[in-house]
Amino acid sequence: DVKVTQSSRYLVKRTGEKVFLECVQDMDHENMFWYRQDPGLGLRLIYFSYDVKMKEKGDIPEGYSVSREKKERFSLILESASTNQTSMYLCASSSIWADTQYFGPGTRLTVL
Amino acid sequence: AQSVTQPDIHITVSEGASLELRCNYSYGATPYLFWYVQSPGQGLQLLLKYFSGDTLVQGIKGFEAEFKRSQSSFNLRKPSVHWSDAAEYFCAVGARDSGGGADGLTFGKGTHLIIQP
Repeated sequence: DVKVTQSSRYLVKRTGEKVFLECVQDMDHENMFWYRQDPGLGLRLIYFSYDVKMKEKGDIPEGYSVSREKKERFSLILESASTNQTSMYLCASSSIWADTQYFGPGTRLTVL
Repeated sequence: AQSVTQPDIHITVSEGASLELRCNYSYGATPYLFWYVQSPGQGLQLLLKYFSGDTLVQGIKGFEAEFKRSQSSFNLRKPSVHWSDAAEYFCAVGARDSGGGADGLTFGKGTHLIIQP
């Protein structure tokens, strides 16, 4: 089975802090994604990556950056956390030949 | 750009009754279509997907969905729901010309399913 893991299930940070959310997949997938999920808004794509060191902006990249130094790991970075970034963050991965995305359990981030 | 509409924010169904969750999409060509389920505090689990071929697709947990091109719909159905089906359900569309889903999926806003005993 595909396994996507995220470093934390719950995280509490203060406004202005730099925050790292880590995601690791064990299926040698080329594509990796970061979404945020908010009530009534569904999932919105922040960034995705189709290869090591490659990244593409999604629908809501403002205030975020990403890093992919290794194929299995995709990090989401909040350079200076703000309260409006309080949300559930979901990581996903897929192979280059299939559109099925496999999701991690999510990180619920609270910014105070 | 593609979009997905799930018209029902909440649906309440009695245990043992049938279920249909609606999904309409907007996309210029034949899309990839998915249904995911999310239990409280969990990530998303794939229920089923449509890429091509038979328009009626079977998924896990007794769910099925039918792709209707003329109606731009991909409704999810289950003949008899169980209390454990209570969850959030998301319909999603992926662009076929992305060459492998690298552009990400576009999700609907979800339908919250409540099961009455």
